[in-house]
Amino acid sequence: DAGVTQSPTHLIKTRGQQVTLRCSPKSGHDTVSWYQQALGQGPQFIFQYYEEEERQRGNFPDRFSGHQFPNYSSELNVNALLLGDSALYLCASSLGTGEETQYFGPGTRLLVL
Amino acid sequence: ELKVEQNPLFLSMQEGKNYTIYCNYSTTSDRLYWYRQDPGKSLESLFVLLSNGAVKQEGRLMASLDTKARLSTLHITAAVHDLSATYFCAGINTGTASKLTFGTGTRLQVTL
Repeated sequence: DAGVTQSPTHLIKTRGQQVTLRCSPKSGHDTVSWYQQALGQGPQFIFQYYEEEERQRGNFPDRFSGHQFPNYSSELNVNALLLGDSALYLCASSLGTGEETQYFGPGTRLLVL
Repeated sequence: ELKVEQNPLFLSMQEGKNYTIYCNYSTTSDRLYWYRQDPGKSLESLFVLLSNGAVKQEGRLMASLDTKARLSTLHITAAVHDLSATYFCAGINTGTASKLTFGTGTRLQVTL
């Protein structure tokens, strides 16, 4: 049973560029959440997708956007990259209403130069 | 808005010793999670605590929840080097979405 997968594992971009990160949820899960983890910090909630809709959003600017596909996979897009966007981006999947534990993927480490 | 605080932020302990990590949260949390993170790796789910007085144990780790005090603890018994990692607690308000709010993490280093 495949767990949560993310791609790419590492990414280097320059300021002002745009990036797309991808996530496939654990088999049987239909909800995907995205988190940003800066070095030495706890993960911060970006947003969550369920039934191809954004259900809730954390305190992140509109430069951060996402999408969920009919197969429940998801993308995180970040426009106009800033140095401060350098972080580990974690995708977590769960089932339905949120009462289930969220399972995290291996993450994508983004470095913005 | 839910806020979660952990202490200590860093813990160095010898093998064989016992210690406790504390997690305080500011408002009602529907449930409390503990995760482990190894350097450069993702988060591994350890425990989910659902109600007041809940206690869960796995090996040398035991987690408990006191909803009245808004406090969860992670107790380490007879630490071994393999437990070296960063431990996070996270609260959740389900509402319309299951947004996890994480503490700052406790970096545990177990020395020989």
